[in-house]
Amino acid sequence: EIVLTQSPATLSLSPGERATLSCRASRSVSGFLAWYQQRPGQVPRLLIYDASNRAAGIPARFSGSGSGTDFTLTISSLEPEDFAVYYCQQRSDWPLITFGQGTRLEIK
Amino acid sequence: EVQLVQSGAEVKKPGESLKISCKESGNKLTRYWIGWVRQMPGKGLELMGFIYPSDSDTKYSPSFQGQVTISADKSINTAYVQWSSLKASDTAMYYCARWGYYNSSGIHVAAFDIWGQGTMVTVSS
Repeated sequence: EIVLTQSPATLSLSPGERATLSCRASRSVSGFLAWYQQRPGQVPRLLIYDASNRAAGIPARFSGSGSGTDFTLTISSLEPEDFAVYYCQQRSDWPLITFGQGTRLEIK
Repeated sequence: EVQLVQSGAEVKKPGESLKISCKESGNKLTRYWIGWVRQMPGKGLELMGFIYPSDSDTKYSPSFQGQVTISADKSINTAYVQWSSLKASDTAMYYCARWGYYNSSGIHVAAFDIWGQGTMVTVSS
């Protein structure tokens, strides 16, 4: 099983600041990594697929990068609605896809 | 617009059986894999398994193999997950989600793009 480790566990920032979230895989997943956002009480929402491609309707302030074992989700300027939990997910080992444990982005 | 509509919240006792459902609104369920994802209270997302409703090809995550049964009825565009004997540790929110679609540019996107609203299952004596 490919283990995804996200860091930090919690990130405290203010609206307007830049957020950088990390996801590290226990072995290479090539570029087969996605990012999801889950707001409190809501279902997860796909943000980024295949490391760097924004899903339909996702604002340009969200960007993804990386390959192999190290990936980053960047939110260029935080909006109030961006404070949520973010999960990375690999599909390199489909159907044995796995998720990271999540990073909670909270308002400072 | 395709939607996945899940059955309502359940409260069960340990040892009871349960089957929850996920109905696709656009009559296209057979074109995609459907995944089931567990989220225990305050915890992260875990894949339980996938089903391809067109032929009921099913793939389980090792942690869930033998613990649940995933099935589908393509005639009514519905996928299911069932338990034969619930445990308190099965208390969680369960989501179905569509895996894999073609975007407006014709590119296949292999990710969960549409999610059901979730079914909360509470198992308590």
